[in-house]
Amino acid sequence: GNSVTQMEGPVTLSEEAFLTINCTYTATGYPSLFWYVQYPGEGLQLLLKATKADDKGSNKGFEATYRKETTSFHLEKGSVQVSDSAVYFCALNKGAGKSTFGDGTTLTVKP
Amino acid sequence: NAGVTQTPKFQVLKTGQSMTLQCAQDMNHNSMYWYRQDPGMGLRLIYYSASEGTTDKGEVPNGYNVSRLNKREFSLRLESAAPSQTSVYFCASSEQAADNSPLHFGNGTRLTVT
Repeated sequence: GNSVTQMEGPVTLSEEAFLTINCTYTATGYPSLFWYVQYPGEGLQLLLKATKADDKGSNKGFEATYRKETTSFHLEKGSVQVSDSAVYFCALNKGAGKSTFGDGTTLTVKP
Repeated sequence: NAGVTQTPKFQVLKTGQSMTLQCAQDMNHNSMYWYRQDPGMGLRLIYYSASEGTTDKGEVPNGYNVSRLNKREFSLRLESAAPSQTSVYFCASSEQAADNSPLHFGNGTRLTVT
C-alpha cells in the first residue's frame, strides 16, 4: 500500500537558520504530493503541493521538489522565523483523492 | 469565509455512550472526509464521501458510521464509544475526489472516552 515516511522530530532551530524536513514515499504510479502545516489547536492547512515529477511547489518561502527517481519531496526554507514553529505533515494522494499522511515533524524556532 | 466548521470542539464520553460529530463546509466542495489524529501516528482516514449520496470506508472504519446529509454536511457517529476512540477528529473537504485536490480541514473535535 501507499506510505509516507518523514524525518523524525522534534527539530529545533535558531531564527534565520536553514530548514530541511525530509519526506520519502512509497506508491504505485504517480501520486500528487503535499505539505501541510498545523498550528496548535488548529486543523491542517495546505502549505504547498506538486502533482507531477520535477514540479516544484512553493509558498511563504517554503519549497519542495517532486523527485520521482528518489521518491522524495523534501521541504526546505532558507531562513526560518519564530512564526514558522508548527507541526509539518507530508502527504500523498493516490486513488480517488484519498490522502496518506506521514507522522508529522514538530519544528520549534527560537529567537 | 467559515470554510469547514466542526462541532463540538471538545467532548467527554463514558464508555458505551453514543454521540455524533457534526461537520459542514461552505466551499461547495464535492468530497468530504473524516480523519482521526493520534500522537505519533499522523492522520488516518475513517470514512469518506466522494460525492453527495456516496460514502466509503477508509483505513479505520470500525466503531464508526457516517451520513452525508447533503452536499454541505457530513456527520460521524460513534454508536458505543470505547477508550480506544479517544482522539482528535478532523473533518476535511476537497473540490473533488481527485489526486490533485488538496484537503481543507476544520479545527477538530477533541474526544475523550473514559
